[in-house]
Amino acid sequence: NAGVTQTPKFRILKIGQSMTLQCAQDMNHNYMYWYRQDPGMGLKLIYYSVGAGITDKGEVPNGYNVSRSTTEDFPLRLELAAPSQTSVYFCASKPLGGGAGDTQYFGPGTRLTVL
Amino acid sequence: KQEVTQIPAALSVPEGENLVLNCSFTDSAIYNLQWFRQDPGKGLTSLLLIQSSQREQTSGRLNASLDKSSGRSTLYIAASQPGDSATYLCAVNPSGAGSYQLTFGKGTKLSVIP
Repeated sequence: NAGVTQTPKFRILKIGQSMTLQCAQDMNHNYMYWYRQDPGMGLKLIYYSVGAGITDKGEVPNGYNVSRSTTEDFPLRLELAAPSQTSVYFCASKPLGGGAGDTQYFGPGTRLTVL
Repeated sequence: KQEVTQIPAALSVPEGENLVLNCSFTDSAIYNLQWFRQDPGKGLTSLLLIQSSQREQTSGRLNASLDKSSGRSTLYIAASQPGDSATYLCAVNPSGAGSYQLTFGKGTKLSVIP
């Protein structure tokens, strides 16, 4: 299994441009999450999904959009990029059920700079 | 709103020392608590998960404890090694949140000096 994969690894955007960060998982996990991590800070939840076709906002959703048309993929769309969106973006997934299965599995991240 | 605090923000120890990392949270109504490790430029790796009904979990040289009533958790690392150098993040999962969202602390950056 490849686990959680993210593309691209790095990207530089100009103010006002748009882009999509890709996230895919091959573990058949129901839950998927997008976080951002600013320097010296913990991770903040942007959006999450509890299954295909179901998404909801997290703590910092402004300026982002998501969709979940399949179990495997959970792309994050940035519209009209702003310097405040400069960050490292992590995608994570989690299987259905509790106990040890509550662990979230993280991708390697996408480092985005908006100039 | 749940807030998670980790102290210290950074820690440097000589190889072989035992050490403790601290995590506190403001709302004791949690479903579970997790400790993650993050290496520079990499994603997060789950180390230990403690359910709200548990007091501790152990994995190798790592031991995590949970005192839900006081809103505290500690991560104990025995006989530290240079390979333990990383940032350690604590995250709580609130009770009743079917989405299993996590609230993270800012992390403790650990350096183990050979």
